Amino acid sequence: QSALTQPRSVSESPGQSVTISCTGTSGDVGGYNYVSWYQQPPGKAPKLMIYDVTHRPSGVPDRFSGSKSGNTASLTISGLQAEDEADYYCCSYAGSFLVFGGGTKLTVL
Amino acid sequence: QVQLQESGPGLVKPSETLSLTCTVSGDSVSSHAWTWIRQPAGKGLEWIGRIYNSGPTQYSPSLKSRITLSVDTSKNQFSLKLSSVTAADTAVYYCARDYNGLAFWGQGTLVTVSS
Repeated sequence: QSALTQPRSVSESPGQSVTISCTGTSGDVGGYNYVSWYQQPPGKAPKLMIYDVTHRPSGVPDRFSGSKSGNTASLTISGLQAEDEADYYCCSYAGSFLVFGGGTKLTVL
Repeated sequence: QVQLQESGPGLVKPSETLSLTCTVSGDSVSSHAWTWIRQPAGKGLEWIGRIYNSGPTQYSPSLKSRITLSVDTSKNQFSLKLSSVTAADTAVYYCARDYNGLAFWGQGTLVTVSS
C-alpha cells in the first residue's frame, strides 16, 4: 500500500493560519470518512488532533480543524503558536487496513 | 485515564521473532480495537495492524505474512509477534487504542535488529 501524500514541510508566522494537505485515492481518503490527524513533537509519541475527518477530541483547541474534498483531506491550524511546531501525520482507513501519510514538518517562524 | 505501556526485548537478532506486549490500564482490552504502529528513526509512522476486542485482526498488507496479534484478557494485555526480522524492522514500536481515532498511545519502545 502507498503512503498518503503530504507536503514535506510548511512554515508560517505566529498568529497566521496554515493548511496541511493529505492526498490519497478513492480507496482510502476519498472512500471513507475515517481520516485522522496526529501531532508529534520531537522525541514524543503522536497525539490525536482530529478524527473522522472533522471531529476534535476533548482538550484539542478549536484552532485545529479538519476537512475533506474528494481524495484530499486537510488540517488547518489557525492562530499559529510556537507550541504548534511539530510533525503532523494524516491517517486514513483503506478498507481493511490503515495507512499514514509521510508526515509534514510545521515550522512556526 | 487510559494508559498503555509497551514492553519487550530491545535487541533482536536477524531472522528471529520480535515479541512485544502492551499493558493497558484504565480500559479493558475486551472493548474497542488495539493497534500497533512503528517508526524508524527519522522516518514516518507505519501502521502494523490491529486486533478487535478479542477477535478479528487486520494487518498491513506489506507485513501480513510475518505478523501475529493476540489479546490476553486475563492480563489486560495485547501482543505483537513479527517473524523473520531484518535491520529494516528496527524502529520505535508504539501501541495505541483504536476508537474514534488513535486517542491513547504508549510512550513507544525502541527495538533494534542486530547480531
